[in-house]
Amino acid sequence: GESVGLHLPTLSVQEGDNSIINCAYSNSASDYFIWYKQESGKGPQFIIDIRSNMDKRQGQRVTVLLNKTVKHLSLQIAATQPGDSAVYFCAAWENNAGNMLTFGGGTRLMVKP
Amino acid sequence: KAGVTQTPRYLIKTRGQQVTLSCSPISGHRSVSWYQQTPGQGLQFLFEYFSETQRNKGNFPGRFSGRQFSNSRSEMNVSTLELGDSALYLCASAQGSLEKLFFGSGTQLSVL
Repeated sequence: GESVGLHLPTLSVQEGDNSIINCAYSNSASDYFIWYKQESGKGPQFIIDIRSNMDKRQGQRVTVLLNKTVKHLSLQIAATQPGDSAVYFCAAWENNAGNMLTFGGGTRLMVKP
Repeated sequence: KAGVTQTPRYLIKTRGQQVTLSCSPISGHRSVSWYQQTPGQGLQFLFEYFSETQRNKGNFPGRFSGRQFSNSRSEMNVSTLELGDSALYLCASAQGSLEKLFFGSGTQLSVL
């Protein structure tokens, strides 16, 4: 089965710096990956996704990098702001597995003013 | 358009009781999935319904069940509650497969 892990449970960055959150996955059949942000008292909120036929995708201030060779993906947040403080999850699923996602354990991002 | 709505927001039950949680998906979304979130285990998939049929099921005991109605609204039921069932139960909806999921704010269940 799939297992998804994150390298660090907590990441503390200075406001204005760039943040990098890492994630490893185990199932090479995983072909779709999503990053979610969860603020206190709320459900996870979609940030950005990437399919396995890509190795990089950019959004507004966020970039996801996918390295299928080592089964690793990362989320980069540029110019981190206090509003970025939250728990970030990566999730992966396999083709034809319906909407069953396997989530990583989460990284808490703390932004210092 | 309204987001995913889960009710109730908070729930306190005692061991041995049963509980029903409700989820209203985003209008037009036919897929509803449920996740359990705990500090120790993180987010774990419970099951997914699409057009009133269970399409996928996670690795949870039979005490956890669900259903979906013709209007796509979904309920999940947990019978014979245990202390370990205390968690945030999240519902997510999607239009179909391989679409990004939209999550509700969850139901926080505490079992005493």
